[in-house]
Amino acid sequence: SQTIHQWPATLVQPVGSPLSLECTVEGTSNPNLYWYRQAAGRGLQLLFYSVGIGQISSEVPQNLSASRPQDRQFILSSKKLLLSDSGFYLCASTSGTGRNKKIDEQFFGPGTRLTVL
Amino acid sequence: QKEVEQNSGPLSVPEGAIASLNCTYSDRGSQSFFWYRQYSGKSPELIMSIYSNGDKEDGRFTAQLNKASQYVSLLIRDSQPSDSATYLCAGSMDSNYQLIWGAGTKLIIKP
Repeated sequence: SQTIHQWPATLVQPVGSPLSLECTVEGTSNPNLYWYRQAAGRGLQLLFYSVGIGQISSEVPQNLSASRPQDRQFILSSKKLLLSDSGFYLCASTSGTGRNKKIDEQFFGPGTRLTVL
Repeated sequence: QKEVEQNSGPLSVPEGAIASLNCTYSDRGSQSFFWYRQYSGKSPELIMSIYSNGDKEDGRFTAQLNKASQYVSLLIRDSQPSDSATYLCAGSMDSNYQLIWGAGTKLIIKP
């Protein structure tokens, strides 16, 4: 089974500062990777997904960006954080071994709770 | 606009009873459905996947899918206080790589 690592677990950053969140996956290869954000008491908002190295699809225009430099590494970045960037950031991965990656189950990392002040 | 809808709750169920969580979806092309449990402050945890019409049972959990009615449900038998959480329903299509998420139903199991 796969393991998804995210760090840091919590982060407090001032407005206008940069951001880098990292997600790494163990125990699978060629997974689809996803970044979600969850505001307090709200549902999941898909930010980015990637079906392979260097392939990034953006779902929401904003000041965030994502990169996938290696098969099992997914990075979320920002050059200047806004107050509205506060939230719970979740990385998810498919198993990578299903017969159809498009309908594969997604598994979540522990998340990073970001507070922008 | 593809949507998955859930009643936000809270749904309050006495301990030992059956909890019934429901989800409807708008896109007839949706093929697979997933139920996740999310405890407060934690990340979602996959508890059930269902890919075809009918029932699928796993321990105390039963997922039901009715594609004609565009309806998915999750039954939790012998509800325990530890089942208290928010339950998220998600659906996928075969034509893209995304899941469409419901906003979640908060379930409270009262001892």
